[in-house]
Order: sequence, then structure tokens, then C-alpha cells
Amino acid sequence: AQSVTQLDSQVPVFEEAPVELRCNYSSSVSVYLFWYVQYPNQGLQLLLKYLSGSTLVKGINGFEAEFNKSQTSFHLRKPSVHISDTAEYFCAVSDRTSGSRLTFGEGTQLTVNP
Amino acid sequence: DAGITQSPRYKITETGRQVTLMCHQTWSHSYMFWYRQDLGHGLRLIYYSAAADITDKGEVPDGYVVSRSKTENFPLTLESATRSQTSVYFCASRIDYRTDTQYFGPGTRLTVL
Repeated sequence: AQSVTQLDSQVPVFEEAPVELRCNYSSSVSVYLFWYVQYPNQGLQLLLKYLSGSTLVKGINGFEAEFNKSQTSFHLRKPSVHISDTAEYFCAVSDRTSGSRLTFGEGTQLTVNP
Repeated sequence: DAGITQSPRYKITETGRQVTLMCHQTWSHSYMFWYRQDLGHGLRLIYYSAAADITDKGEVPDGYVVSRSKTENFPLTLESATRSQTSVYFCASRIDYRTDTQYFGPGTRLTVL
């Protein structure tokens, strides 16, 4: 079984500041890792994913994440945020063997203030 | 390209009533999923389906029933709604076992009084 911990439930930042949303996971098997974004009153959209290869993954809207196997982390970063980045962000894992189930973290609310 | 749709988007019901939430996808994806989203819990998997007539339990299946007679539809039924089932419900789909990305519907906000 896997578990995901998002270390911050809320992250307020000012516009154009850098941001990091932290995600740690636990699993006894190799995993795929994902970040999803949920804008107000909408469903979830895939932001980026790590399957294999380079540990630095680039996603949409200028976001990137780095997979760190030794620290079992997959932190999401953006060098300069915009007001429009205000949303809830979810880290998720699925195991490579079955791949069917996604296990989500509790979410991090990113609020970008002017 | 409609993608994945859910209906109704909002529903208020009373304890003990049966409620069915609908999910429809136009992509012919093999896999479909139902999640519930609650504060402090993120999204939790209720049921999923690998193909028509194949369903399996997720993390929190109690009190829910699913069926999948057609590939494109995956209804979720609360046979006797309880207040603890007040939540936002998301349906998702995935192309097949070889792919990894799930695509989410807009959600149904259900309130059980």
C-alpha cells in the first residue's frame, strides 16, 4: 500500500514570488508520481507526472517537480507565480505493478496574493 | 469533444433516500473511477472498473453500489444515503492498463440532510 503526505495544507505567497509545495510518499514498491491541480469548482487536471528517466519533470503552466528517491519526495516548484495559479494542488502515487489506483495526498491550497 | 461529464452537478437529498450519480465519457476509455473528496482527506477511491461488467472496490466502498453495463457509463448509487456521504464526488477515466493519466469530470456536490 502507498501513502502520500502533503506537508503544507495552505501556502500563501505574493505574486511573482517562487513557491514550493512539498510532497512525501511511502511505498514498498516502485511508484509513478503525479501532481494534479484543481481550480475552484472544477475537476482535477494533470499538472505533471514522473514515470521514469530524468528526475526533474516539467509540467504545464511553468511548474516543475523533482523526484528524490532517497528522500521519497516529489516537491512541486514554480519560480514565479501568478494570481491565476491560485488553486488546490494534489500529489498522487500509483504503484507500477497494478497502476490502477491513485492514492492522493490531502491537498495544498496555494493562494497567490497581489 | 465532451470528454467526461457528470450529472447532476448539485444534489440535495434526505437521509435514507436512494441517489444515483451519473458519469459518462465519450472517449471509450477502458478504466473508470469514482472518488469522493472531503476536507482533510483529499480524494479517496470508492470503486473502479477496468472494463464493462468488471468492477472492484476501492478504499471506501461501504454504502455505495456501482455498475457498468456499457463502456461509456459508470453510475454510482447510494442505496440509503447517510449524512456522512455528504461530499463532492468525482468520476475519472483512464485509457487502459498501459497508460497512467486519469482524466476527471467536473464533480457532483451531494448534500444529505
